[in-house]
Amino acid sequence: QSVLTQPPSTSGTPGQRVTISCSGSSSNIGSNTVNWYQQLPGTAPKLLIYSNNQRPSGVPDRFSGSKSGTSASLAISGLQSEDEADYYCAAWDDSLNGRWVFGGGTKLTVL
Amino acid sequence: QLQLQESGPGLVKPSETLSLTCTVSGGSISRYYRGWIRQPPGKGLEWIGSIYYSGSTYYNPSLKSRVTISVDTSKNQFSLRLSSLTAADTAVYYCARQGATVVSSFDYWGQGTLVTVSS
Repeated sequence: QSVLTQPPSTSGTPGQRVTISCSGSSSNIGSNTVNWYQQLPGTAPKLLIYSNNQRPSGVPDRFSGSKSGTSASLAISGLQSEDEADYYCAAWDDSLNGRWVFGGGTKLTVL
Repeated sequence: QLQLQESGPGLVKPSETLSLTCTVSGGSISRYYRGWIRQPPGKGLEWIGSIYYSGSTYYNPSLKSRVTISVDTSKNQFSLRLSSLTAADTAVYYCARQGATVVSSFDYWGQGTLVTVSS
């Protein structure tokens, strides 16, 4: 059971906009920033969004992040076939002397 | 381009201790935190712990009694030891760089190494 809650799966067609939600609590998302990772099949996770809504160099602006209260969202616009991957949210949790917590991951299928 | 590479045994027996090393090349991460994350086959990501160049550590409370993370700045390496292994520890183990604080994101990752716990 993951500390952060994500939908197990979502799907969309090319060109569509999809969003992935991430729900937490006051000890993690409510008091710290959220990061998003993209994991393509058979590869290591890649940082996609940091500090709620910042994109590392090289990440297309089709990817955007937002946070409100104890929830966060990742939006992907202009969906492309190469966006098919697992997406994970993560946040620092202030409980138990501090720890990183992840969502269970959302499998995005491009139809 | 900064690169991280995990190394260690692919197969470990139950009750034994796993030792993995992460070697950093293409740059120094001396004043950065660095961490270990694992992913059981077909499952999600689990943070194991993080360490600063000074040796300051943070561990996942659920693994703390079995985990030791150390750093060797002269070799640009850091290591993970996980004791009392069971089949539940079978996973791909990743090392990753963070920023200047433990709450910084993991921005560079190794390719991961699969560790199987089996007799």
